[in-house]
Amino acid sequence: GEDVEQSLFLSVREGDSSVINCTYTDSSSTYLYWYKQEPGAGLQLLTYIFSNMDMKQDQRLTVLLNKKDKHLSLRIADTQTGDSAIYFCAERNSGNTPLVFGKGTRLSVIA
Amino acid sequence: EAGVTQSPTHLIKTRGQQATLRCSPISGHTSVYWYQQALGLGLQFLLWYDEGEERNRGNFPPRFSGRQFPNYSSELNVNALELEDSALYLCASSLVGTGGVGGYTFGSGTRLTVV
Repeated sequence: GEDVEQSLFLSVREGDSSVINCTYTDSSSTYLYWYKQEPGAGLQLLTYIFSNMDMKQDQRLTVLLNKKDKHLSLRIADTQTGDSAIYFCAERNSGNTPLVFGKGTRLSVIA
Repeated sequence: EAGVTQSPTHLIKTRGQQATLRCSPISGHTSVYWYQQALGLGLQFLLWYDEGEERNRGNFPPRFSGRQFPNYSSELNVNALELEDSALYLCASSLVGTGGVGGYTFGSGTRLTVV
C-alpha cells in the first residue's frame, strides 16, 4: 500500500535554512503536498508540486522532487520562530483515493 | 469566504458512549474527508463522502461511521467509544476532480477525549 515517511524532529537556529525530507512509495503519485500545522490548529496547505515538475519555488519555500528516488523535500529559507510547527508531506495518485499523509516533522526554531 | 467549520471544538465522553462530530465544508465543495490524528500516529484517513455517498473508507472498525447531507455538510459518528479513540478529528473539503490539484482545506478539528 501507499506509505509516506518523514523524520519526526528537526531543530534549526533562527535565520538558518530548514530542510524537511519525505519519501513515498507510490510510484503513481501525481500530486505531492506540504502542509503546516500550528499548535491547536488544523492543517494549512503550504504548497504543492505536480509529479512532472522537479522544483517549485514560492517566496521562502522551495520544493524539490526526485521522482526516481521518490523523495520530496521542503526548504524554508531564513527560518523564523513563527515557522515552528509540524510539517506534513502528503501524496495522492490520480485515482479515486484520498491524500496519504506522513507522520509529520516537528520543526523547532531556536532564537 | 468561510472556511471549513467543525463542531464542537472539544468533546469529552465516557467509554462506551457515542460521539457525534460535525463538519461544514467550504461553499461549493462537494467532497468531505475525515481524518483521525492520534498522538504519535500522524493523520489516519477515516472516511470520504461526496454527493451524499461514501467513496472510500480507511482501515477503521465499523463503529466509525458517518454521512453527508444534501447541503454537503457531514457528520462523523463513533459508537462504543474506547479510550484509544481519544484524538483530534480533522475534517477537510475539496472540489471533486480538482482535489488533487489544490489539495484539501482543513478545519481546526474536534478534540475528542474519552475517559
